[in-house]
Amino acid sequence: DAGVIQSPRHEVTEMGQEVTLRCKPISGHNSLFWYRQTMMRGLELLIYFNNNVPIDDSGMPEDRFSAKMPNASFSTLKIQPSEPRDSAVYFCASRRQLGGELFFGEGSRLTVL
Amino acid sequence: GDSVTQMEGPVTLSEEAFLTINCTYTATGYPSLFWYVQYPGEGLQLLLKATKADDKGSNKGFEATYRKETTSFHLEKGSVQVSDSAVYFCALPTQGGSEKLVFGKGTKLTVNP
Repeated sequence: DAGVIQSPRHEVTEMGQEVTLRCKPISGHNSLFWYRQTMMRGLELLIYFNNNVPIDDSGMPEDRFSAKMPNASFSTLKIQPSEPRDSAVYFCASRRQLGGELFFGEGSRLTVL
Repeated sequence: GDSVTQMEGPVTLSEEAFLTINCTYTATGYPSLFWYVQYPGEGLQLLLKATKADDKGSNKGFEATYRKETTSFHLEKGSVQVSDSAVYFCALPTQGGSEKLVFGKGTKLTVNP
């Protein structure tokens, strides 16, 4: 089975540009999570969805960040406008059921110059 | 709120040395506890878990015992290999259930031949 698929793997952009990160969860999984990983702050949960519905977005840093899940097989995380402090690795993860194992994608490394 | 605290790294060991990575938790009730591992350039993956007090999780020679008395879930391995070099994360679900997984800051392990 294919794992969680994220794109792009690497993104370099300039401050002020819009960034869109994409995620395809594992088929049959009904929860999806977006995490951000930095050296300073470790792994932070940004937002998660159950059955395509956003449940908790309290980790989203500010209004520049938005996430959508239009269907069970696709989610996006958008940053507009991007800033250098947004540079990080962004992970998407999915889960089949409550309390189950999280399966992570390989991450999208974002560099904002 | 619910949280985990794990020992700061990095940890550097020689092959076949004994490994301990400490993790303590603060939680309401007795949630499941997890160790995830992140190999270089990859996303996190589940290493082992324990669902109740006194349970021992084990996988790939790693073990961790859920200790209610000391609120700990330390990770151990009797003889590490170069291939164990990775970042290790302790985690627990928060919000009184299993909706969100909160991770420790991670401990980087390097094993030298």
